[in-house]
Amino acid sequence: GAVVSQHPSWVICKSGTSVKIECRSLDFQATTMFWYRQFPKQSLMLMATSNEGSKATYEQGVEKDKFLINHASLTLSTLTVTSAHPEDSSFYICSAWDSRSGNTIYFGEGSWLTVV
Amino acid sequence: DAKTTQPPSMDCAEGRAANLPCNHSTISGNEYVYWYRQIHSQGPQYIIHGLKNNETNEMASLIITEDRKSSTLILPHATLRDTAVYYCIVSQDTGNQFYFGTGTSLTVIP
Repeated sequence: GAVVSQHPSWVICKSGTSVKIECRSLDFQATTMFWYRQFPKQSLMLMATSNEGSKATYEQGVEKDKFLINHASLTLSTLTVTSAHPEDSSFYICSAWDSRSGNTIYFGEGSWLTVV
Repeated sequence: DAKTTQPPSMDCAEGRAANLPCNHSTISGNEYVYWYRQIHSQGPQYIIHGLKNNETNEMASLIITEDRKSSTLILPHATLRDTAVYYCIVSQDTGNQFYFGTGTSLTVIP
């Protein structure tokens, strides 16, 4: 199937700093990507929809100024956690639609963020 | 919000078929049923999806009831590596968001 790759796989940052996570579609173009976060033993929670060339659409309760999303090309979306705090520590996962393969969403491997 | 309900956990003996149910009684006519699984600390893996006909691929079979209000994912010969959380999701095709429910934690027992 299609490949969606995230980088970094894990990152540790100091409280108050910002950290960027990249999501790439490696073998297809994705006009729409999605960002999720997942806390331990919980399900995935949709944070926002990333649209190439336009502003992201955020789910209710997600702070757009804290979680900056940029989708500057058809193969790359980035999530920047600004002024990170320990409560932002989580597993962040991106996904993208691949319309070539029968309308299927593929997910990245996920990125572990730990804020100390 | 998720439009599906699944049992929180199931066990299955290794080598036997694992049958995972999902209820989606409010599914719309243009919504597909998707199944994914997530092994600990990894991103969800696509398994199969369907609209109204039963589907089969190399991983699993998907049985959708005639009224489309429920479905069953079948892993024909479960192995230990099939231990994971299985998510059933309903969504329109291309471009729409996936909202995850709580999923079913499947444990394959030797």
